[in-house]
Amino acid sequence: AQTVTQSQPEMSVQEAETVTLSCTYDTSESDYYLFWYKQPPSRQMILVIRQEAYKQQNATENRFSVNFQKAAKSFSLKISDSQLGDAAMYFCAYRGSGNTPLVFGKGTRLSVIA
Amino acid sequence: DVKVTQSSRYLVKRTGEKVFLECVQDMDHENMFWYRQDPGLGLRLIYFSYDVKMKEKGDIPEGYSVSREKKERFSLILESASTNQTSMYLCASSSGAGGSYEQYFGPGTRLTVT
Repeated sequence: AQTVTQSQPEMSVQEAETVTLSCTYDTSESDYYLFWYKQPPSRQMILVIRQEAYKQQNATENRFSVNFQKAAKSFSLKISDSQLGDAAMYFCAYRGSGNTPLVFGKGTRLSVIA
Repeated sequence: DVKVTQSSRYLVKRTGEKVFLECVQDMDHENMFWYRQDPGLGLRLIYFSYDVKMKEKGDIPEGYSVSREKKERFSLILESASTNQTSMYLCASSSGAGGSYEQYFGPGTRLTVT
């Protein structure tokens, strides 16, 4: 079974600085998707960024980018120019080929210090 | 915009009560999911459904059942609530038509069983 590991339960970053959240996963499949979701305090979980495994280019969404290392099975999230609104729980998730449920990591709580 | 709504944000029930958590999505999604979220454990899949009247067990189905009589509605049922079912419950939906099958989440129901 696939597993997703987020080794950093909590992290903090100074406002305007850059922070990287780690995620590793275990799979024997070659075709899959990876996601980062954000859950602000008392608010709805939303998708931050997605990466298709067949794409070598790392996904980018504004201040959010990923470092996808397929051979190492690593999928880290980089947040540049951190803002107070970035404070949230961040979940890494994996989906294999076909219509299968997501597998989530346990999350990383990010604090942003003004 | 995809909208996933859940019937209650907060719910307090007594041990032994039958509890219904309702989820409705407005995007004609085939797939619907129920998760529970606990600190340090991340999101754990309880049940999911790929179509009306279909259901599949997730990782932690014990003590729960589900119902999907209409495509837009997916109900989670706690037949006899217990204190260890105190948790945040998240509903999600996704298209089953291919692509990344990105999941869209509801705001969550925080259930307390006393």
